[in-house]
Amino acid sequence: AQRVTQPEKLLSVFKGAPVELKCNYSYSGSPELFWYVQYSRQRLQLLLRHISRESIKGFTADLNKGETSFHLKKPFAQEEDSAMYYCALSGGNTGFQKLVFGTGTRLLVSP
Amino acid sequence: DAGVIQSPRHEVTEMGQEVTLRCKPISGHDYLFWYRQTMMRGLELLIYFNNNVPIDDSGMPEDRFSAKMPNASFSTLKIQPSEPRDSAVYFCASMQSSGANVLTFGAGSRLTVL
Repeated sequence: AQRVTQPEKLLSVFKGAPVELKCNYSYSGSPELFWYVQYSRQRLQLLLRHISRESIKGFTADLNKGETSFHLKKPFAQEEDSAMYYCALSGGNTGFQKLVFGTGTRLLVSP
Repeated sequence: DAGVIQSPRHEVTEMGQEVTLRCKPISGHDYLFWYRQTMMRGLELLIYFNNNVPIDDSGMPEDRFSAKMPNASFSTLKIQPSEPRDSAVYFCASMQSSGANVLTFGAGSRLTVL
């Protein structure tokens, strides 16, 4: 079964500090991993996908199949990064399009 | 395009009442998903449709929950009878099968059952 684990409910950092939001997954196959973000009073939206290998708003995430992780990183946090972040996985026995989310991590960046 | 449209945005009801949440997906999107968001469990997939056909409803909590998609532009999620533990934000999302597996979410319907 697909499973996504985000161990931290809340991550609080100061502006300019590095950020790492942890995500581990369980899946027997080749998953597709995503990070979605929900800013205050905004809709949940895609931040980045592992297959794109892109950096969005300074965030990057590398898929580590050995550790089954897809941690989200940013070297210098900004106040506008404060939001709810969800790691998600697609793929599996029940169909490629089924997207399973973790429980989310709230990032709070203080000035 | 106005994106995925959900109604109502907020619903407050009493235990035992029927609740109907509505969703209009983006035109041309052939997948529709219903998610429930709570503090404890995060985002849970309840059910999803492909071309108006339910594909996986294994996430639907119990028989009190039902979902329909009578046509490509409309879906409903019904709870009957509602209970306080159903209080949550319910999200609808749609996706185009050729769209790189990326979901577009609605603004959500916040349900409070007293």
